[in-house]
Amino acid sequence: DTGVSQDPRHKITKRGQNVTFRCDPISEHNRLYWYRQTLGQGPEFLTYFQNEAQLEKSRLLSDRFSAERPKGSFSTLEIQRTEQGDSAMYLCASSSQTNTEAFFGQGTRLTVV
Amino acid sequence: SQKIEQNSEALNIQEGKTATLTCNYTNYSPAYLQWYRQDPGRGPVFLLLIRENEKEKRKERLKVTFDTTLKQSLFHITASQPADSATYLCALEEDNYGQNFVFGPGTRLSVLP
Repeated sequence: DTGVSQDPRHKITKRGQNVTFRCDPISEHNRLYWYRQTLGQGPEFLTYFQNEAQLEKSRLLSDRFSAERPKGSFSTLEIQRTEQGDSAMYLCASSSQTNTEAFFGQGTRLTVV
Repeated sequence: SQKIEQNSEALNIQEGKTATLTCNYTNYSPAYLQWYRQDPGRGPVFLLLIRENEKEKRKERLKVTFDTTLKQSLFHITASQPADSATYLCALEEDNYGQNFVFGPGTRLSVLP
C-alpha cells in the first residue's frame, strides 16, 4: 500500500488554460475527497465521491471545476479557463466505509501566471 | 454551515512544556471530531478522532478532549519536542448528513529548544 498519490506535484499554467490533476486513492477505500488549500488557511472542501458517484459538491465551486471517478478507483479534477485565483494546493484524500479518518496525498500545487 | 475557529494562528512554547490548542465550532454538533497535523508543503496527517460520547482520548503524548456543551475540543501535546512543530488542524462534519468534513484554519505550533 503506497498511500494516496497525486500527480503532478507541481503545475504552472498560463491564465485561461485548462489543467487536469489525478488522484490515486488507497486501493480498498471507496470514499474520495478533493480539497483546496491556500497559504495560511485550512483545506477547503471541493467535492466528495463514494465509489464512482459524486455525492456532494461545494456550493462555492464554480462551473469551471469538474471532477470524475469513472471506475470508482482513481479520480481526476479538471479546471477549465484557469484564473489567478485558482492558484492553490489541491489535496486529495480517501477513506474507507467503516473508518472516518482520511488519508491525504501530498497535493498538487497549482500556480496560474 | 459549520464555522470552526482555532485559538490562535501561531503558538510558541518551550521544549518540554505542554502545548494546548483549541478548536471551537458554532453550529451543528458533530458525531465526531478529528485532529490532523500538517507540515509545510505536505498533506495533512491524521492524528486522533474523538466521538461525541467520549470525553477524552489519548495516544502516546497526545490527548484530545471534546465538550459538546461548550462546542469545543482541546488538543494537548505533553513533553513537547521541536519535532512537534507543525500546523495542527481540527476537522468535523459540516452537517448531519456526515458526507464531508470541514477544517479549521489551523494553529501553527513552534516548539523552541
